[in-house]
Amino acid sequence: AQSVAQPEDQVNVAEGNPLTVKCTYSVSGNPYLFWYVQYPNRGLQFLLKYITGDNLVKGSYGFEAEFNKSQTSFHLKKPSALVSDSALYFCAVSPGGGRRALTFGSGTRLQVQP
Amino acid sequence: EAGVAQSPRYKIIEKRQSVAFWCNPISGHATLYWYQQILGQGPKLLIQFQNNGVVDDSQLPKDRFSAERLKGVDSTLKIQPAKLEDSAVYLCASSLEEGSEQYFGPGTRLTVT
Repeated sequence: AQSVAQPEDQVNVAEGNPLTVKCTYSVSGNPYLFWYVQYPNRGLQFLLKYITGDNLVKGSYGFEAEFNKSQTSFHLKKPSALVSDSALYFCAVSPGGGRRALTFGSGTRLQVQP
Repeated sequence: EAGVAQSPRYKIIEKRQSVAFWCNPISGHATLYWYQQILGQGPKLLIQFQNNGVVDDSQLPKDRFSAERLKGVDSTLKIQPAKLEDSAVYLCASSLEEGSEQYFGPGTRLTVT
């Protein structure tokens, strides 16, 4: 069975500083990896995905993530944080091939201080 | 492009009552998902449809939960009878095909008292 771990419940960063939100996964086969963001009282929004190819994927709002197969990680990064980035971030994984149900992590709250 | 629509946005019921949620996916999206998100946790898949057929309902508590997607477009999720532990946000999502990114609706917040 697949699983996702987001080891930090909350990440605090000052505006303008780089940010990293960590994610590790366990899945059989080659994974499909996703990041979603959830703003208060709104549904989840897709940020980016990795399926194959370049290990560094770029997504919406200046976010990027790096797939590391040996460490089974897919950390979310942004070079310069904005206050408006403050939200709840979820990492999700599904096994490649066949039926691809997503398994979500428990979420990491990002707080960007002005 | 219109997003995923869900109704109602909020619902409060007493335990043992029944409740139904409705979802209209993005036009042309073949795959539809229902998730349950308990406060402080990530969404958990309840059921996945491909057109009007069920692909995965392994985590659906079938003694009380049911879902259908007639005509392969909109979908309803029903709980009967509700328990206190069903209090959660119920999210509907759709995707163009299996494996592609999912687009989520705003969710229905259910409170069971």
